Amino acid sequence: DVKVTQSSRYLVKRTGEKVFLECVQDMDHENMFWYRQDPGLGLRLIYFSYDVKMKEKGDIPEGYSVSREKKERFSLILESASTNQTSMYLCASSPLAGSSGANVLTFGAGSRLTVL
Amino acid sequence: RKEVEQDPGPFNVPEGATVAFNCTYSNSASQSFFWYRQDCRKEPKLLMSVYSSGNEDGRFTAQLNRASQYISLLIRDSKLSDSATYLCVVTPTPGSSNTGKLIFGQGTTLQVKP
Repeated sequence: DVKVTQSSRYLVKRTGEKVFLECVQDMDHENMFWYRQDPGLGLRLIYFSYDVKMKEKGDIPEGYSVSREKKERFSLILESASTNQTSMYLCASSPLAGSSGANVLTFGAGSRLTVL
Repeated sequence: RKEVEQDPGPFNVPEGATVAFNCTYSNSASQSFFWYRQDCRKEPKLLMSVYSSGNEDGRFTAQLNRASQYISLLIRDSKLSDSATYLCVVTPTPGSSNTGKLIFGQGTTLQVKP
Protein backbone atom coordinates (compact mmCIF):
# COMPACT_ATOMS: atom_id res chain seq x y z
CA ASP A 1 0.00 0.00 0.00
CA VAL A 2 1.17 3.47 -0.88
CA LYS A 3 1.75 5.40 2.24
CA VAL A 4 2.07 9.13 2.70
CA THR A 5 2.92 10.15 6.21
CA GLN A 6 2.57 13.63 7.62
CA SER A 7 4.57 14.24 10.74
CA SER A 8 1.99 16.13 12.79
CA ARG A 9 -1.76 15.68 12.89
CA TYR A 10 -2.42 18.76 15.02
CA LEU A 11 -0.31 21.83 15.63
CA VAL A 12 -0.95 25.05 17.47
CA LYS A 13 1.42 27.92 16.76
CA ARG A 14 1.58 31.61 17.50
CA THR A 15 1.59 34.41 14.96
CA GLY A 16 5.09 35.01 13.66
CA GLU A 17 6.43 31.56 14.46
CA LYS A 18 8.20 29.50 11.82
CA VAL A 19 6.33 26.30 11.08
CA PHE A 20 7.59 23.14 9.39
CA LEU A 21 5.21 20.54 8.04
CA GLU A 22 6.90 17.33 6.99
CA CYS A 23 5.68 14.75 4.53
CA VAL A 24 7.25 11.41 3.61
CA GLN A 25 6.11 8.90 0.99
CA ASP A 26 7.40 5.38 0.59
CA MET A 27 6.45 4.52 -2.99
CA ASP A 28 9.24 6.24 -4.88
CA HIS A 29 6.80 8.73 -6.42
CA GLU A 30 8.28 11.57 -8.43
CA ASN A 31 5.50 14.08 -7.81
CA MET A 32 4.64 15.53 -4.42
CA PHE A 33 2.12 18.20 -3.54
CA TRP A 34 1.01 20.42 -0.71
CA TYR A 35 -2.63 21.50 -0.55
CA ARG A 36 -4.64 23.39 1.99
CA GLN A 37 -8.30 22.69 2.52
CA ASP A 38 -10.75 25.23 3.91
CA PRO A 39 -14.55 25.09 4.23
CA GLY A 40 -16.23 26.53 1.18
CA LEU A 41 -12.94 26.80 -0.73
CA GLY A 42 -12.07 23.17 -1.26
CA LEU A 43 -8.55 21.97 -1.92
CA ARG A 44 -6.11 24.59 -3.13
CA LEU A 45 -2.63 23.78 -4.38
CA ILE A 46 0.18 25.58 -2.59
CA TYR A 47 3.29 24.06 -4.16
CA PHE A 48 4.28 20.94 -5.96
CA SER A 49 7.49 19.20 -6.89
CA TYR A 50 8.16 16.76 -9.69
CA ASP A 51 11.75 15.96 -8.77
CA VAL A 52 14.34 16.40 -6.07
CA LYS A 53 15.22 20.08 -5.61
CA MET A 54 12.54 21.05 -8.14
CA LYS A 55 9.49 23.03 -7.10
CA GLU A 56 6.66 24.83 -8.79
CA LYS A 57 4.23 27.35 -7.38
CA GLY A 58 0.66 26.31 -7.16
CA ASP A 59 -2.34 28.58 -6.93
CA ILE A 60 -1.67 30.07 -3.49
CA PRO A 61 2.10 30.05 -2.77
CA GLU A 62 2.24 33.38 -0.92
CA GLY A 63 3.48 32.99 2.63
CA TYR A 64 4.81 29.49 2.03
CA SER A 65 8.00 27.86 0.84
CA VAL A 66 8.93 24.24 0.26
CA SER A 67 11.95 22.01 0.32
CA ARG A 68 12.60 18.73 -1.45
CA GLU A 69 16.11 17.55 -0.67
CA LYS A 70 15.25 13.86 -0.97
CA LYS A 71 12.80 12.14 -3.26
CA GLU A 72 10.69 10.77 -0.46
CA ARG A 73 10.40 13.95 1.60
CA PHE A 74 8.59 17.20 0.83
CA SER A 75 8.46 19.90 3.48
CA LEU A 76 6.17 22.90 3.70
CA ILE A 77 7.50 25.92 5.54
CA LEU A 78 5.60 28.88 6.89
CA GLU A 79 8.30 31.46 7.51
CA SER A 80 6.12 33.62 9.72
CA ALA A 81 2.79 32.07 10.52
CA SER A 82 -0.32 34.23 10.36
CA THR A 83 -3.86 33.59 11.54
CA ASN A 84 -5.13 33.29 7.96
CA GLN A 85 -2.91 30.25 7.57
CA THR A 86 -5.03 28.33 10.04
CA SER A 87 -6.14 25.40 7.92
CA MET A 88 -5.95 21.70 7.14
CA TYR A 89 -2.78 20.95 5.18
CA LEU A 90 -2.71 17.88 2.99
CA CYS A 91 0.35 16.35 1.40
CA ALA A 92 0.00 14.05 -1.61
CA SER A 93 2.17 12.12 -4.02
CA SER A 94 1.76 10.55 -7.44
CA PRO A 95 3.88 8.74 -9.98
CA LEU A 96 5.41 10.46 -12.96
CA ALA A 97 3.04 11.51 -15.75
CA GLY A 98 2.77 8.74 -18.32
CA SER A 99 3.45 5.97 -15.85
CA SER A 100 0.92 3.59 -14.36
CA GLY A 101 -1.25 5.40 -11.82
CA ALA A 102 -0.20 8.83 -13.03
CA ASN A 103 -2.69 11.53 -12.08
CA VAL A 104 -3.87 9.49 -9.12
CA LEU A 105 -2.99 11.23 -5.88
CA THR A 106 -2.38 9.47 -2.61
CA PHE A 107 -2.88 11.77 0.34
CA GLY A 108 -1.50 11.85 3.81
CA ALA A 109 -3.87 12.05 6.77
CA GLY A 110 -3.49 15.81 6.99
CA SER A 111 -2.06 18.31 9.45
CA ARG A 112 -4.50 20.64 11.12
CA LEU A 113 -2.70 23.88 11.92
CA THR A 114 -4.10 26.54 14.20
CA VAL A 115 -2.31 29.88 14.36
CA LEU A 116 -3.21 32.01 17.35
CA ARG B 1 -15.96 31.09 -13.25
CA LYS B 2 -14.38 28.27 -11.25
CA GLU B 3 -12.51 25.64 -13.24
CA VAL B 4 -14.45 22.84 -11.60
CA GLU B 5 -17.87 23.41 -10.07
CA GLN B 6 -20.00 21.22 -7.89
CA ASP B 7 -23.18 21.72 -5.93
CA PRO B 8 -21.94 21.54 -2.33
CA GLY B 9 -25.23 20.05 -1.09
CA PRO B 10 -25.78 18.51 1.37
CA PHE B 11 -27.79 15.84 -0.35
CA ASN B 12 -29.87 14.06 2.29
CA VAL B 13 -31.24 10.74 1.08
CA PRO B 14 -32.74 7.65 2.72
CA GLU B 15 -30.97 4.33 2.66
CA GLY B 16 -31.62 2.49 -0.57
CA ALA B 17 -32.13 5.64 -2.61
CA THR B 18 -30.41 6.41 -5.88
CA VAL B 19 -28.58 9.72 -5.94
CA ALA B 20 -26.63 11.51 -8.65
CA PHE B 21 -24.10 14.33 -8.56
CA ASN B 22 -22.93 16.44 -11.44
CA CYS B 23 -19.75 18.39 -11.85
CA THR B 24 -18.97 20.91 -14.60
CA TYR B 25 -15.51 21.89 -15.80
CA SER B 26 -14.51 24.93 -17.79
CA ASN B 27 -11.48 23.77 -19.77
CA SER B 28 -12.51 21.79 -22.82
CA ALA B 29 -8.93 20.52 -23.19
CA SER B 30 -9.06 18.65 -19.88
CA GLN B 31 -8.20 15.03 -20.45
CA SER B 32 -8.58 13.00 -17.29
CA PHE B 33 -11.40 12.94 -14.79
CA PHE B 34 -11.84 11.35 -11.39
CA TRP B 35 -14.12 11.11 -8.42
CA TYR B 36 -12.52 11.14 -4.99
CA ARG B 37 -14.28 10.42 -1.73
CA GLN B 38 -13.48 12.23 1.51
CA ASP B 39 -14.88 11.04 4.81
CA CYS B 40 -15.31 13.51 7.65
CA ARG B 41 -11.92 14.57 9.05
CA LYS B 42 -10.09 12.19 6.73
CA GLU B 43 -7.99 12.60 3.62
CA PRO B 44 -9.45 12.30 0.10
CA LYS B 45 -9.15 8.91 -1.54
CA LEU B 46 -9.66 7.90 -5.14
CA LEU B 47 -13.13 6.48 -5.71
CA MET B 48 -12.97 5.92 -9.44
CA SER B 49 -11.64 7.27 -12.68
CA VAL B 50 -14.12 8.47 -15.28
CA TYR B 51 -13.76 7.11 -18.78
CA SER B 52 -15.22 8.52 -21.98
CA SER B 53 -17.52 5.55 -22.46
CA GLY B 54 -18.72 5.63 -18.85
CA ASN B 55 -17.78 3.08 -16.25
CA GLU B 56 -19.29 1.22 -13.38
CA ASP B 57 -17.90 -0.12 -10.13
CA GLY B 58 -20.52 -1.98 -8.17
CA ARG B 59 -23.19 0.50 -7.12
CA PHE B 60 -21.26 3.44 -8.54
CA THR B 61 -21.49 4.67 -12.12
CA ALA B 62 -19.43 7.49 -13.56
CA GLN B 63 -20.12 9.24 -16.84
CA LEU B 64 -18.43 11.90 -18.91
CA ASN B 65 -20.12 14.29 -21.29
CA ARG B 66 -17.41 16.15 -23.18
CA ALA B 67 -19.81 18.15 -25.32
CA SER B 68 -21.45 19.70 -22.26
CA GLN B 69 -18.28 19.53 -20.17
CA TYR B 70 -19.63 17.69 -17.18
CA ILE B 71 -19.08 14.46 -15.36
CA SER B 72 -21.55 12.65 -13.17
CA LEU B 73 -21.56 10.10 -10.38
CA LEU B 74 -24.56 7.89 -9.75
CA ILE B 75 -24.88 5.89 -6.55
CA ARG B 76 -27.51 3.17 -6.45
CA ASP B 77 -28.94 1.55 -3.33
CA SER B 78 -27.30 4.08 -1.00
CA LYS B 79 -25.77 2.79 2.20
CA LEU B 80 -25.15 4.66 5.44
CA SER B 81 -21.45 4.17 4.78
CA ASP B 82 -21.73 6.17 1.56
CA SER B 83 -22.08 9.33 3.65
CA ALA B 84 -19.08 11.43 2.68
CA THR B 85 -18.01 14.34 0.52
CA TYR B 86 -17.47 13.49 -3.14
CA LEU B 87 -14.83 15.51 -4.94
CA CYS B 88 -14.80 15.97 -8.68
CA VAL B 89 -11.24 16.13 -10.04
CA VAL B 90 -10.00 17.20 -13.45
CA THR B 91 -6.57 17.42 -15.00
CA PRO B 92 -5.63 20.79 -16.51
CA THR B 93 -4.44 21.37 -20.05
CA PRO B 94 -1.50 19.07 -20.72
CA GLY B 95 1.87 20.74 -20.51
CA SER B 96 5.12 20.34 -18.64
CA SER B 97 4.20 22.97 -16.07
CA ASN B 98 1.05 21.08 -15.24
CA THR B 99 2.67 17.71 -14.76
CA GLY B 100 0.61 15.72 -12.32
CA LYS B 101 -1.47 18.68 -11.21
CA LEU B 102 -5.11 18.08 -10.54
CA ILE B 103 -7.94 20.56 -10.10
CA PHE B 104 -10.43 19.77 -7.37
CA GLY B 105 -14.02 20.82 -7.08
CA GLN B 106 -15.28 21.94 -3.68
CA GLY B 107 -17.06 18.67 -3.17
CA THR B 108 -20.65 17.52 -2.76
CA THR B 109 -21.70 16.28 0.65
CA LEU B 110 -23.93 13.23 0.84
CA GLN B 111 -25.77 12.22 3.98
CA VAL B 112 -27.53 8.88 3.86
CA LYS B 113 -30.16 8.54 6.58
CA PRO B 114 -31.58 5.33 8.05
